[in-house]
Amino acid sequence: NAGVTQTPKFRILKIGQSMTLQCAQDMNHNYMYWYRQDPGMGLKLIYYSVGAGITDKGEVPNGYNVSRSTTEDFPLRLELAAPSQTSVYFCASSRELGTEAFFGQGTRLTVV
Amino acid sequence: GQQVMQIPQYQHVQEGEDFTTYCNSSTTLSNIQWYKQRPGGHPVFLIQLVKSGEVKKQKRLTFQFGEAKKNSSLHITATQTTDVGTYFCAGRNYGQNFVFGPGTRLSVLP
Repeated sequence: NAGVTQTPKFRILKIGQSMTLQCAQDMNHNYMYWYRQDPGMGLKLIYYSVGAGITDKGEVPNGYNVSRSTTEDFPLRLELAAPSQTSVYFCASSRELGTEAFFGQGTRLTVV
Repeated sequence: GQQVMQIPQYQHVQEGEDFTTYCNSSTTLSNIQWYKQRPGGHPVFLIQLVKSGEVKKQKRLTFQFGEAKKNSSLHITATQTTDVGTYFCAGRNYGQNFVFGPGTRLSVLP
């Protein structure tokens, strides 16, 4: 059972480039989340989804977009990368709101 | 908006000493979760507390939820080097998403 899988693990982007961070879960969870973690800081919620076709903004959504076409997948899109988006990105899923969250291994993104 | 704070930010202990981290919310919470993140790793769920005054134990770890449901603590008895990492609390209001605290980074000197 793979749990939550994120790709890639590492990426360096140039300012203005675009990329998609992939996230997939095989636990049939309804809820999925994207967080960013800056050095020495906690996790900030970027976007979340309560099920296929439904997404909503979290605390820090600016500069990002998401989609949820299937229960399993929840990709995060950066359209015009900026240095402020240098961070570690974690995808997570939970069966329901308020239950245990399972995190992926993270994607370390550097924008130069 | 809801804010979750944790103290201390860092804690260095000698192996065998006890450790406590405190979590405080600006609003009353419906439930609170604790996660551990090893260096270079991802957050891993430890426990969830729901009831006012609740105390739960996992081996050397003791978790407590305050009577007013606005604060929580995690206490580790006789720390070991395997306890190294950052401990996060995450608090939630009814119907809302969890808000994570900034974490307490624990280092254990052998």
